[in-house]
Amino acid sequence: DAGVIQSPRHEVTEMGQEVTLRCKPISGHNSLFWYRQTMMRGLELLIYFNNNVPIDDSGMPEDRFSAKMPNASFSTLKIQPSEPRDSAVYFCASSGVGGSTDTQYFGPGTRLTVL
Amino acid sequence: LAKTTQPISMDSYEGQEVNITCSHNNIATNDYITWYQQFPSQGPRFIIQGYKTKVTNEVASLFIPADRKSSTLSLPRVSLSDTAVYYCRGGSGGSYIPTFGRGTSLIVHP
Repeated sequence: DAGVIQSPRHEVTEMGQEVTLRCKPISGHNSLFWYRQTMMRGLELLIYFNNNVPIDDSGMPEDRFSAKMPNASFSTLKIQPSEPRDSAVYFCASSGVGGSTDTQYFGPGTRLTVL
Repeated sequence: LAKTTQPISMDSYEGQEVNITCSHNNIATNDYITWYQQFPSQGPRFIIQGYKTKVTNEVASLFIPADRKSSTLSLPRVSLSDTAVYYCRGGSGGSYIPTFGRGTSLIVHP
């Protein structure tokens, strides 16, 4: 299995531009997570999908952030408009069924820099 | 969401045993405790998981006391390649979404 695939690996954009991050979870996994990691705040859960349905988006910082999962093999995280404070590494992770016992498999991350 | 607490950093030397303790006071009855390891420029990866008492695999051991409000990750005879950030993913506090702690940065010195 190729594992969780994220694209792009690096993204540099200017403030105000739209940014779209992409994730392909491991085939057969039912749960998908988007995380943001910064030095200041550590690893933050942004949103959690189960069977393509958003279960908890309380971690999404504000309306500029949106996430979709149109099918079991693809998810996007969009930031519009982007701001410098959005600069971070964004990770996508997937797991079998979600919940406390489930092992999450992380992708390599997308390093976003907003100038 | 439940909160986990662990030391920010630790230093060790090659060949020593390292123990990292995490507190998860809000753990729910059906919550498991999971530890992850993260190297620079990579996503976290699973190390070990347990519910109570002791669990051991080829990488580490996990000790969980009876009250389950804390756990200790034990790395035997660390090497330079064990330098990484170690995350305790504690209970969900009943919210079914377990959260990650801030992680412990372990530096292994020659």
